[in-house]
Amino acid sequence: QKEVEQDPGPLSVPEGAIVSLNCTYSNSAFQYFMWYRQYSRKGPELLMYTYSSGNKEDGRFTAQVDKSSKYISLFIRDSQPSDSATYLCAIGSWGKLQFGAGTQVVVTP
Amino acid sequence: DTEVTQTPKHLVMGMTNKKSLKCEQHMGHRAMYWYKQKAKKPPELMFVYSYEKLSINESVPSRFSPECPNSSLLNLHLHALQPEDSALYLCASSQGDGLNTEAFFGQGTRLTVV
Repeated sequence: QKEVEQDPGPLSVPEGAIVSLNCTYSNSAFQYFMWYRQYSRKGPELLMYTYSSGNKEDGRFTAQVDKSSKYISLFIRDSQPSDSATYLCAIGSWGKLQFGAGTQVVVTP
Repeated sequence: DTEVTQTPKHLVMGMTNKKSLKCEQHMGHRAMYWYKQKAKKPPELMFVYSYEKLSINESVPSRFSPECPNSSLLNLHLHALQPEDSALYLCASSQGDGLNTEAFFGQGTRLTVV
C-alpha cells in the first residue's frame, strides 16, 4: 500500500464548475500538507500549505485537512481552462515529502 | 520572491560524460532538495541538505553526487549515467527550521542520457 493515495484521473469539468481533489494517507506521523499544480514539462508550483486540521482558503482555492481520517482535499471554485494541469498532493515529515500520484484536471470551455 | 532557479533547462549527455546541474535560491532558505521526476510520475526525493549539510540520501546511486557550496547554491554532479536516468531533475528549497515548512520548486532540468 502506498503511503499517499491519489486518483490519477483524468478529471474533466466544464468551465465555471468546482474541481474537487483529494488524497488519503496512511502514516499519522505526517505533519504538514501541501498542494502543487504542475503544468506539462514545468516544475511544481505551490498552491496551498497547511499543518493543521481544518480549512484554509486562498482566492479560488480551499484546502481541507482531516487528520483523524487521514484525508486531505483541494477545491477550486469557478474553474478556468488555465486551471488545466496535474495537481499533486504532498504530505511531509521532517523534510521528506511523499507525493500522491497526481490528478490530471481538464477544464473545458 | 519565491524563485528557485535551475540551470541548464535542458541537458543531453553521453554515458561517459561528466556534467553538473545547478540550483540557486535567494530566499534565505536553509534546506535544499534534489528530486527526480519521470514522465507521468510524481517527484521522488533524492537528497536533502539542511544548513549546508547532507541530511537525507535516499539510497541514490553514487553516479549522482550532490554538493552544497553555500546556503544559496546546490549542485548535482553527474557521471557515468545510464539512459534510464533520463528524467526531469527538480531542485526545491524551504525555510529549513525543522524541515516542516513549505517547499518551493524550480522549473527543473530536463536531462536526456544517450
